Amino acid sequence: GAVVSQHPSWVICKSGTSVKIECRSLDFQATTMFWYRQFPKQSLMLMATSNEGSKATYEQGVEKDKFLINHASLTLSTLTVTSAHPEDSSFYICSAMQGRNSPLHFGNGTRLTVT
Amino acid sequence: GQQLNQSPQSMFIQEGEDVSMNCTSSSIFNTWLWYKQDPGEGPVLLIALYKAGELTSNGRLTAQFGITRKDSFLNISASIPSDVGIYFCAGRQSIGVGGADGLTFGKGTHLIIQP
Repeated sequence: GAVVSQHPSWVICKSGTSVKIECRSLDFQATTMFWYRQFPKQSLMLMATSNEGSKATYEQGVEKDKFLINHASLTLSTLTVTSAHPEDSSFYICSAMQGRNSPLHFGNGTRLTVT
Repeated sequence: GQQLNQSPQSMFIQEGEDVSMNCTSSSIFNTWLWYKQDPGEGPVLLIALYKAGELTSNGRLTAQFGITRKDSFLNISASIPSDVGIYFCAGRQSIGVGGADGLTFGKGTHLIIQP
């Protein structure tokens, strides 16, 4: 149980375009999901908390207009990278919890390359 | 803020050897989690620890929640090539303490197995 699916696993886009990444909890409901960014050989950097039915909360230094988050249902959160630039190229990962004190389960990540 | 010191940063070992890594902190944690991340994929939960002194195994992996609640270690016995990857520890104090996901991550241990 506790499977989190992320799609796409990789995407290449041109500078100035927008890219949407989906995160789904397949066998449980998640009122809260999290989005991370990871640079090569580094740990996960929390970007934002996605709250079902309400606005996302962003970590300091993360542009909310740049990284749009929508948590429309209890099993789906989306991250849209708007007007992507090469510096947005990175590995993006989502996670979700089954319950308040349960471990985080991560999606398989999305490799974004902006050309 | 809370910090987790994970060591070693990297390990070069021979196949068949045992591996040991640990995380320490100046803060007390209620939960310790160990994850493994393969290249280009999201972290996968290996072991979750909830009680001080708890010792839990998952196949060849064994992890312990330190008595002081400020540290945890992960051991891998008889390493095999597929053990290669990055291992992260994560500690949780309570939801909202640390990151919004309640977790503080170590910087990771890169395990490399030499032929």
